[in-house]
Amino acid sequence: AQKVTQAQTEISVVEKEDVTLDCVYETRDTTYYLFWYKQPPSGELVFLIRRNSFDEQNEISGRYSWNFQKSTSSFNFTITASQVVDSAVYFCALSEVGYSTLTFGKGTMLLVSP
Amino acid sequence: DGGITQSPKYLFRKEGQNVTLSCEQNLNHDAMYWYRQDPGQGLRLIYYSQIVNDFQKGDIAEGYSVSREKKESFPLTVTSAQKNPTAFYLCASRAARGQLYEQYFGPGTRLTVT
Repeated sequence: AQKVTQAQTEISVVEKEDVTLDCVYETRDTTYYLFWYKQPPSGELVFLIRRNSFDEQNEISGRYSWNFQKSTSSFNFTITASQVVDSAVYFCALSEVGYSTLTFGKGTMLLVSP
Repeated sequence: DGGITQSPKYLFRKEGQNVTLSCEQNLNHDAMYWYRQDPGQGLRLIYYSQIVNDFQKGDIAEGYSVSREKKESFPLTVTSAQKNPTAFYLCASRAARGQLYEQYFGPGTRLTVT
């Protein structure tokens, strides 16, 4: 069975600090996809990134970066120089190839104060 | 603009009444999903549909029903059999073709039953 664990329930930082959100997953498949979503206070989930299990290259997009390590079954998300607008709940999710559904972690609430 | 609409944003009902939540998408996506989110919890899958006139139960389908008569519409009915219906409900859709497994979400409906 698939499982996604986000051990950090809530993180508080001050603006301009770097912050890393952890995600650990479990799957029996060798081919799968991992995702990160952002849920701002408005409630709608915003897709951030998709990564397939064969691509372990780190990804950087502006202040966001993702570190995928199959050896530790982790897909961590780092925000550099955090801003107040980054305050949201962040979800990590997993989908096995051939399956239509996503398995979500419980989310990490990030609070960035000025 | 293409996207997913859910209406209404806030919904109030008396206990014992059935209520139907609307979800419409104009992304031409084949698959649609309903999730429930409770405070501090991740997203839990209620029902999903990969094609018109077909749908499958998710992890917490008891007390809910759905229909998929049109590709663009996937309404969810919360029945009086649902013991704890007060929650935030999110609808999502996904293009079923190709290797794109990410789901795109609507703005959500917050249901309060008293």
